[in-house]
Amino acid sequence: AQKITQTQPGMFVQEKEAVTLDCTYDTSDQSYGLFWYKQPSSGEMIFLIYQGSYDEQNATEGRYSLNFQKARKSANLVISASQLGDSAMYFCAMREGGDTDKLIFGTGTRLQVFP
Amino acid sequence: DTEVTQTPKHLVMGMTNKKSLKCEQHMGHRAMYWYKQKAKKPPELMFVYSYEKLSINESVPSRFSPECPNSSLLNLHLHALQPEDSALYLCASSQDTSGGAYNEQFFGPGTRLTVL
Repeated sequence: AQKITQTQPGMFVQEKEAVTLDCTYDTSDQSYGLFWYKQPSSGEMIFLIYQGSYDEQNATEGRYSLNFQKARKSANLVISASQLGDSAMYFCAMREGGDTDKLIFGTGTRLQVFP
Repeated sequence: DTEVTQTPKHLVMGMTNKKSLKCEQHMGHRAMYWYKQKAKKPPELMFVYSYEKLSINESVPSRFSPECPNSSLLNLHLHALQPEDSALYLCASSQDTSGGAYNEQFFGPGTRLTVL
């Protein structure tokens, strides 16, 4: 069963606008972490933001915020004031608690920012 | 220094060649990872090293052989690869493999491997 689902293969947004990238997850663990990574065409995976399952506040990092809705098992990434350099592939990932160290990735969303 | 470096950036090899990928970090991390990423797909975990010991092998074929000579270095030895092994190989490191759900993984830029 898919543990991380990203239903948007591609998204377009105009420069300076906000955009939301969707991510839903499936786990029976009480302790887990949710991550968003950005992958430009160069290939490097760049960490953007983290949300812990016990965190009561939504995570924010500069222009990035995570809309965490635990009951719905969703962890959407919101990018405010989009820039041309935000054009990239975005992956949602989950790490379950316990002693495993597997990071499970979704299929990704390709974001294109146009002028 | 919050960087993971990987060499080479690009590698082309024949099916009978032996080559190695190298990964290095100087953040004092004790966990290191190899991922394989095919085009337009998410990364797939291959191996995890924790405190220089192999802790996870995701049923990877034996033509891929990982090695962790010390806490800063991670190698991936390649032998008798197939064309379908062509992919981006990403290395990552994290503080360790314990401590609950939070453990940010820092990724290197990857090695683009082409097997002819």
